Amino acid sequence: DAMVIQNPRYQVTQFGKPVTLSCSQTLNHNVMYWYQQKSSQAPKLLFHYYDKDFNNEADTPDNFQSRRPNTSFCFLDIRSPGLGDAAMYLCATSKPGQGLYEQYFGPGTRLTVT
Amino acid sequence: GNSVTQMEGPVTLSEEAFLTINCTYTATGYPSLFWYVQYPGEGLQLLLKATKADDKGSNKGFEATYRKETTSFHLEKGSVQVSDSAVYFCALREGGYQKVTFGTGTKLQVIP
Repeated sequence: DAMVIQNPRYQVTQFGKPVTLSCSQTLNHNVMYWYQQKSSQAPKLLFHYYDKDFNNEADTPDNFQSRRPNTSFCFLDIRSPGLGDAAMYLCATSKPGQGLYEQYFGPGTRLTVT
Repeated sequence: GNSVTQMEGPVTLSEEAFLTINCTYTATGYPSLFWYVQYPGEGLQLLLKATKADDKGSNKGFEATYRKETTSFHLEKGSVQVSDSAVYFCALREGGYQKVTFGTGTKLQVIP
């Protein structure tokens, strides 16, 4: 089945230690998104790629970076995680022009910062 | 800007009870509306959608009708099951593909 895969599902990192979360998709969608979701809150869009074009949300901290080496993979890099960065990180994809641009989500990576 | 307001949870119901989760929105134009469901420990799944006024989205016994006059998209189900326990997010998309605005979510707990 075509899907969005996130690895790992659970990640523990230390305060200030760089961490990378990964997302892959078999849907061949043009757009890949990264969201941050804190407990009992709505997902918050951090940035997205439309093909190779990177689009950062205005309020996304500089501490968060992303890479998309090819259509299938997208990475979220947190350069110096703080305690406030502990959250669920959701990857999603969409294909403009198809299905109201509905977004397909992966299962998420829960990040713990110690 | 766009916004989505959902009723606060948690909502606790007995199995087979009727469910309504209220959702209202603010948008400058004519958004598409969505309900997503998030089961414990999982990502969001699209539950249903509607693109224009008076459209009714439905899936797995859930329904929601796009009401332009009241700017609402309330989620309903006639008879809930324990397996429906999850967090439900109302969302809208207006304009470009990237602009999806989510509500804060409503947690539903169904007890046997």
